[in-house]
Amino acid sequence: GQQLNQSPQSMFIQEGEDVSMNCTSSSIFNTWLWYKQDPGEGPVLLIALYKAGELTSNGRLTAQFGITRKDSFLNISASIPSDVGIYFCAGHLHYGGATNKLIFGTGTLLAVQP
Amino acid sequence: ETGVTQTPRHLVMGMTNKKSLKCEQHLGHNAMYWYKQSAKKPLELMFVYSLEERVENNSVPSRFSPECPNSSHLFLHLHTLQPEDSALYLCASSQDQRGAGEQYFGPGTRLTVT
Repeated sequence: GQQLNQSPQSMFIQEGEDVSMNCTSSSIFNTWLWYKQDPGEGPVLLIALYKAGELTSNGRLTAQFGITRKDSFLNISASIPSDVGIYFCAGHLHYGGATNKLIFGTGTLLAVQP
Repeated sequence: ETGVTQTPRHLVMGMTNKKSLKCEQHLGHNAMYWYKQSAKKPLELMFVYSLEERVENNSVPSRFSPECPNSSHLFLHLHTLQPEDSALYLCASSQDQRGAGEQYFGPGTRLTVT
């Protein structure tokens, strides 16, 4: 079945550092999504990407939809303590008549040292 | 209330109990989802409802029984669960079950089966 490989599994950084994480897939996707999950809460949508090559920003976050449609990356610039959490990528492949099914990565745990 | 809400937030139940999880979305969406999130595993899609009709059941055991009385409400009825069913149960909604992929999650119900 479809799998998303997300790396790194965890990151421990100092406040102010930039962060980069990525997802790769064996299949192509039409949409890439990035979510953040705080402890005890549900995932919150950060960025949605709809076109190969698309680069989208949301504040200090920047994500790109890989040109091959099989990968995506998320960058966080100038990290702050509230960036702590688990970041998930998710890919969506819509093909006629199919349900809106997301495939999720295994997550990247980010810890930020003040 | 805004977004997607879930109740209860925490639930402890014995293996012989019957309980229900409730989800409500205030986004005007017409597709709703149940996911299971266990430690160190990707999010597992359980059920998909579109316009109150179940369109996907991902080989979920019959001890989990979903109900979608209208496009704003989704329930997950639980009975004779096993300890391995302990997990975070997340509800999500989207604009359209065949849309671009964006799903919005509730905060989850942390379920412990004793």
